[in-house]
Amino acid sequence: AQSVTQLDSHVSVSEGTPVLLRCNYSSSYSPSLFWYVQHPNKGLQLLLKYTSAATLVKGINGFEAEFKKSETSFHLTKPSAHMSDAAEYFCVVSDHRGSTLGRLYFGRGTQLTVWP
Amino acid sequence: DTEVTQTPKHLVMGMTNKKSLKCEQHMGHRAMYWYKQKAKKPPELMFVYSYEKLSINESVPSRFSPECPNSSLLNLHLHALQPEDSALYLCASSSNRDSGYTFGSGTRLTVV
Repeated sequence: AQSVTQLDSHVSVSEGTPVLLRCNYSSSYSPSLFWYVQHPNKGLQLLLKYTSAATLVKGINGFEAEFKKSETSFHLTKPSAHMSDAAEYFCVVSDHRGSTLGRLYFGRGTQLTVWP
Repeated sequence: DTEVTQTPKHLVMGMTNKKSLKCEQHMGHRAMYWYKQKAKKPPELMFVYSYEKLSINESVPSRFSPECPNSSLLNLHLHALQPEDSALYLCASSSNRDSGYTFGSGTRLTVV
């Protein structure tokens, strides 16, 4: 069975400081993992994805995530937060990797607040 | 075109009304999805269409009726909704699981 645990419901940082959003997963298969961002009243935008290639994944807007199988983690980081990064972030695992059909399993989300 | 387009962006409907939500993509994706998202919650899967056939129905009440007229279009027909059905309805598409999903910006539905 697949599941995702986002360890923090809220994270607050000052502009220019590092961001760390934590995610642990459980999967019966070799997982595909994603981070999505959602700004208020908007849809979800894909930040980055892991699909069994390099374990350090680079995404858009300076975000990165590292897949650690031994820790079943996929934490999202950014060296320097910007005000525009304030949003809800979802860690997501998919089943049936390589298949079109299936479903995504969402974490509960982490609300990122960036202070000036 | 790398977008999923949803219309309308906002919809207010009474409990006796019939309305439809529309979703369109021109990326050649053969899987399309409807999700429901309540405030401060992650999206919840409602329906999955694969190659224009309904593949997954997550025990959604029959007042929600999906339709996939062709590979680019996905509709969600609404009838006799309840106030608790008020939510953001998101459409998504994918080519395969590894590529991730592309989400639309959603329809904010309010049932009065």
